Amino acid sequence: DIVMTQSPLSLPVTPGEPASISCRSSQSLLHSNKFHYLDWYLQKPGQSPQLLIYLGSNRAPGVPDRFSGSGSGTDFTLKISRVEAEDVGVYYCMQALHTPITFGQGTRLEIK
Amino acid sequence: EVQVVESGGGLVKPGRSLRLSCTTSGFTFGDYTISWFRQAPGKGLEWVGFIRNTVYGGTAEFAASVKGRFTISRDDSNSIGYLQMNSLKTEDTAVYYCSRGSGSYQAYYFDYWGQGTRVTVSS
Repeated sequence: DIVMTQSPLSLPVTPGEPASISCRSSQSLLHSNKFHYLDWYLQKPGQSPQLLIYLGSNRAPGVPDRFSGSGSGTDFTLKISRVEAEDVGVYYCMQALHTPITFGQGTRLEIK
Repeated sequence: EVQVVESGGGLVKPGRSLRLSCTTSGFTFGDYTISWFRQAPGKGLEWVGFIRNTVYGGTAEFAASVKGRFTISRDDSNSIGYLQMNSLKTEDTAVYYCSRGSGSYQAYYFDYWGQGTRVTVSS
């Protein structure tokens, strides 16, 4: 199974400041079609997960452009350029290259 | 508007069965993979299994923790997916989410999720 490791697990951020979450996979997530099968999801308090970024760097429809995804191979990053209060919740990276689909442990973003 | 709604959760004794439904609307159901995820109390997200669309044979794959006990099926004519859970264990206690998967043979993102249905396995 592909193991996904996120850091940090807790992320206190002042509104307006940037934030960054790292996700590392135990093997490359590069598909033969040249895309990385790595997604980012946000689960806001009391809600279902929502897709933020797919295939490593593509923002899902309706996701603000302050969110960006980057990376390749086994190292990926989610960046929020300016954190807003509505961004609180738990962020998960997920690999979909091979089954079983696996998630990182989650990073809890809180507002300072 | 795309809608995904799970139902069928509840309290069940260990060893018993339960069937969850995933009722959808707003998109061509038969074109998509339908996946189930779960979240145990206070824990992270866990993939349970998915069923591909009929273009890719309607085949299903499962997490090792549920393989042989859970099955997934789909009713494309009514846009409903099902998760049949047999031989339930206390560790299956979780909120179960249904999600629409996009991609080809291997769905590579899940863009619409239901609100979840709670399953509690306890004697």
